[in-house]
Amino acid sequence: GAGVSQSPSNKVTEKGKDVELRCDPISGHTALYWYRQSLGQGLEFLIYFQGNSAPDKSGLPSDRFSAERTGGSVSTLTIQRTQQEDSAVYLCASSLGRGTNTEAFFGQGTRLTVV
Amino acid sequence: DAKTTQPPSMDCAEGRAANLPCNHSTISGNEYVYWYRQIHSQGPQYIIHGLKNNETNEMASLIITEDRKSSTLILPHATLRDTAVYYCIVRVGNAGGTSYGKLTFGQGTILTVHP
Repeated sequence: GAGVSQSPSNKVTEKGKDVELRCDPISGHTALYWYRQSLGQGLEFLIYFQGNSAPDKSGLPSDRFSAERTGGSVSTLTIQRTQQEDSAVYLCASSLGRGTNTEAFFGQGTRLTVV
Repeated sequence: DAKTTQPPSMDCAEGRAANLPCNHSTISGNEYVYWYRQIHSQGPQYIIHGLKNNETNEMASLIITEDRKSSTLILPHATLRDTAVYYCIVRVGNAGGTSYGKLTFGQGTILTVHP
C-alpha cells in the first residue's frame, strides 16, 4: 500500500494479557515512530527508530512496553500485562529520515481497549 | 526540545481565513517549526514547516516572526473539512543529540469552522 499500515485497527483485551501491535511503514522510510493518544488527549511520544541507530526509548512509560523493528521495516509494539490505563489509540508514523524535508506520515492507529 | 504554546480553541467562518498562532519563545537556532493537523478519528497529517522564511504550499501559509519566537499558520479559505486539532511543533533539524528528528506534540488548537 501507499501509506503506513497498522494492524489490528481495533483490539480488545483482558487486563493482564499481553498484546502486540504491528506497523508497516512506507517502503524506503528509515525512520519510524510510535505514539499513543488517550481519549481527548494529545499525542504522547513512545519510541523512535532511525535506521540502524539505537532507538530513542525515552517515551516508553514502563518496562511493560517494548518495541522492535525487524529488518529496518516492520515494527511491533508489545505491551505486557496490560492495564486499563493502557487503553488508547496507538499511532505509528514513518519518514524518509530525520532531516528537515522528511515529514512524517501517520497510520490510522490501533485502538486498544483493556477491559 | 523547545515547547510551544497554542490557544486551546478557535472558531472561523467558512470561506474566511483561519489564522492559528503559536508561541515558541525558547526555540533554538537549529529547530524548525512544523504544523500538523488531526481530523477526528484519523492520524495526524503534515501541513507545512519552515525555519525562518515564510512558507506557502497548497494547503496553507506559515508566517514566522523575525525573532522566530512565534509563528502563524494561515488557512486562506477555511472549509468545514478544515475542522481539526492543529499542532505546532518545533523539531531539531540537523544531526546532534537524541532529539534529532523527533516530533513532540503539545495539546494543539481545536479549530472549528462553522457555516
